[in-house]
This record gives sequence, structure tokens and C-alpha cells, in this order.
Amino acid sequence: QKEVEQDPGPLSVPEGAIVSLNCTYSNSAFQYFMWYRQYSRKGPELLMYTYSSGNKEDGRFTAQVDKSSKYISLFIRDSQPSDSATYLCAMRANTGFQKLVFGTGTRLLVSP
Amino acid sequence: GAVVSQHPSRVICKSGTSVKIECRSLDFQATTMFWYRQFPKQSLMLMATSNEGSKATYEQGVEKDKFLINHASLTLSTLTVTSAHPEDSSFYICSAPDRGTRNTIYFGEGSWLTVV
Repeated sequence: QKEVEQDPGPLSVPEGAIVSLNCTYSNSAFQYFMWYRQYSRKGPELLMYTYSSGNKEDGRFTAQVDKSSKYISLFIRDSQPSDSATYLCAMRANTGFQKLVFGTGTRLLVSP
Repeated sequence: GAVVSQHPSRVICKSGTSVKIECRSLDFQATTMFWYRQFPKQSLMLMATSNEGSKATYEQGVEKDKFLINHASLTLSTLTVTSAHPEDSSFYICSAPDRGTRNTIYFGEGSWLTVV
């Protein structure tokens, strides 16, 4: 079993839809959770960074962490074609210089 | 957010030659940087952790003599692919944690290497 599981997709939605992207994990020590967006042939771009359980909102993006279920989500409201990309979840146990553990990434396609 | 810059963004080299990729943290100091490799439609694969002033730590299965890493300053790490072969063609990405934001990890733009 992988430490972090993420559905690779692709997930296809029409413009304006609410998108839900998810990851599950097995290591209960993880406390810091991140979502990155990666466009084709580009480096990942940090979208959201959350600590422990709870919600965090930034514009059209909302990140949720449920540590009791070992489940994290990223919601995108009013999705746009420019949101079409691969979304990677990542996590680690503390703020030290530990390497991140990544999901495989979910490919999102938003059609006009 | 913090900025990490990679250079070159694309490079083509002949088989048997060496190529160097630079990773710079532009507005923060990074005692640690990470080097990844990514194949098409796959996730990031950590190759090594670069440590300023000391030897890099390589992941299992990554050849140290093939992928030379030098972290000579607090803002620069380099990855040299030695005696490159076509199978080394890939997307190489670096990242660095920013202490100012709880060690949030920022990525460079990536470098496409094609070995012909």
C-alpha cells in the first residue's frame, strides 16, 4: 500500500462546476498538507498549505483536512478552463527538512 | 510566495556528454534543496536531497556517480548528469524549503533534458 493514494483521473468537468479532489494517507504522523498544481511541462506551483485538521480557503480554492479519517480534499469553485492541470497532494510529519510524500496527481480537465 | 529558479529550462545534449542544471533560491536561503525526476504522466520521483556544505543524500536506486549534486552556497544547488544517455532524458525539477514560511517547499520551473 502506498503512503499516499490519489486517483490519477482524468477528471472531466464543465466550466463553472465545483471540483473535488482527494487524497488518502496511511501515516498518522503527517501534520502538514499541501496541494500543488502542475501544468504540462512546468514545475509544481503551491496552491494551499494547511496544518493539522480543518479548513482553509483562498479565493476559489478550499482545502480540507480530516486527520481522523486520514483524508484531505481540495475544492475548486467556479472551475475555469485555465484550471486544467494535474493536482498533486503532498504531506509530511513536521516542519523540518523532511522530504514531502506526494500523491500520484489527479489530472483535471475543465471544458468551456 | 518564494521563488526558486532553474536553468536551463531546456537542454539537448549528445550521448556521452555531461550537462549541468542549476537551481537557485532567489529571495531566501536554502540549506537544503531537493532534486526530482518526472517521467511523462507520472508523479515526482525524489532523486536526492542536497545539503549546503556537505554531501548529498541519494534515494535508493539513484546512482551517485551518475547524478552529481553540489550545494556550494545557501542559494545554489547544481545537478550534473554525467555521461548522459538517451534513457536519462526526462524532466528534472528542484525544490527548496523556505524557513520563513514554516519550511513550505517551493519548486523550480523544471528542466527538460533530451539526450540524443
